Amino acid sequence: DIQMTQSPSSLSASVGDSVTITCRASQSITNHLNWYQWKPGKAPNLLIYAASTLQAGVPSRFSGSGSGTVFTLTINDLQPEDFATYYCHQSYSTLYTFGQGTKLEI
Amino acid sequence: QVQLQESGPGLVKPSQTLSLTCSVSGGSLNSGGDYCTWIRQHPGKGLEWIGYISNSGDTYYSPSLKSRLTMSLDTSKTQCSLKLTSVTAADTAVYYCARDSLVKTPVTTRAFDIWGQGTMVTVSS
Repeated sequence: DIQMTQSPSSLSASVGDSVTITCRASQSITNHLNWYQWKPGKAPNLLIYAASTLQAGVPSRFSGSGSGTVFTLTINDLQPEDFATYYCHQSYSTLYTFGQGTKLEI
Repeated sequence: QVQLQESGPGLVKPSQTLSLTCSVSGGSLNSGGDYCTWIRQHPGKGLEWIGYISNSGDTYYSPSLKSRLTMSLDTSKTQCSLKLTSVTAADTAVYYCARDSLVKTPVTTRAFDIWGQGTMVTVSS
């Protein structure tokens, strides 16, 4: 299995801040890396696919970068609705795996 | 706009079979590249991919669950189902279905672009 290691596991920030979440793969996954936003009681939301492509309808303050084994999700100008949990997901291997999640708190 | 909704019993007894359905509204899983995938989240834990069924009925299951798992897709491609046999407390989780879409630009890859809200399943006597 490809192991995905996400850091930090939690993060405190304020409205208007910029934050970066990192996801590391145990082997190269080229750019088969997706990011999701999770809010309690809501359907999860795809933010970024193929490491850096913004999903339609997602605000441009979200951005992704990286390739190979190291990837980042950056959120600029944090808004109140951005406080949620974020997961990375590799789709390089058919045996999909996720990072452990990063909880972004005020 | 395509939406997904999971349904099924919230409580299952140990050793019994868990059956869940994912209903597709506003469309169907009709694109050749669409899969219906299932993911679960144990209480307070991370995400575990369970498996998928493709638009053409091909399945691929997590090796850890393969021996207990069956997925199906109805002919209209508006419902996909999951059956997990011989459940234990370790199967207690929130179960999500998602549309696993084939993306072709900028590269060919896959992503879960539509999700259901999830359904909590507790295994307990």
